[in-house]
Amino acid sequence: QKEVEQNSGPLSVPEGAIASLNCTYSDRGSQSFFWYRQYSGKSPELIMSIYSNGDKEDGRFTAQLNKASQYVSLLIRDSQPSDSATYLCAVNRAGYSTLTFGKGTMLLVSP
Amino acid sequence: DGGITQSPKYLFRKEGQNVTLSCEQNLNHDAMYWYRQDPGQGLRLIYYSQIVNDFQKGDIAEGYSVSREKKESFPLTVTSAQKNPTAFYLCASSIEEGGRYNEQFFGPGTRLTVL
Repeated sequence: QKEVEQNSGPLSVPEGAIASLNCTYSDRGSQSFFWYRQYSGKSPELIMSIYSNGDKEDGRFTAQLNKASQYVSLLIRDSQPSDSATYLCAVNRAGYSTLTFGKGTMLLVSP
Repeated sequence: DGGITQSPKYLFRKEGQNVTLSCEQNLNHDAMYWYRQDPGQGLRLIYYSQIVNDFQKGDIAEGYSVSREKKESFPLTVTSAQKNPTAFYLCASSIEEGGRYNEQFFGPGTRLTVL
């Protein structure tokens, strides 16, 4: 069983702080990694994708991938109350069209 | 506007009834997917289709059926054989490029409640 593990949280950070969300995966054949944000009662929204080792930055978001450690993380700088949501990590295996999702980490940003 | 639409937004079903959830996309994406999400749970794959007139079972296909007669459409039928159908149903699509399926994009979802 291919698994994607995330701490369920909630992760509480004050406004303006850096939020660090972590995800580990078991399938060494994984090649594509995605972070989705899901507000309560809404559908997931793609915020970051990363395919190679290292960091990828997009605005306040940075995705970090370490394939040797089977670890992917999402950093949110200058966290805002509007960032409060559940963040889902998703992983794709090479040659497959499906994603395996973690159960998500709830982030709470307090004013 | 390009995107994925799902209808209805809310659906109520009596026990023993079959219901069909609609999913349409105008993104020209090749692959389409159906997921189920229960409170506090991640997304579980029900069915997916990579090409018209072909589809594969996901992790929890029992009690569900799909069709893919058009590239744009991938309806899901929740049958009376599904014992616990109350959930949030999400449709997604993705494009295939050079053998790799990229990001999946989601529709707004249908919330199904069995009365």
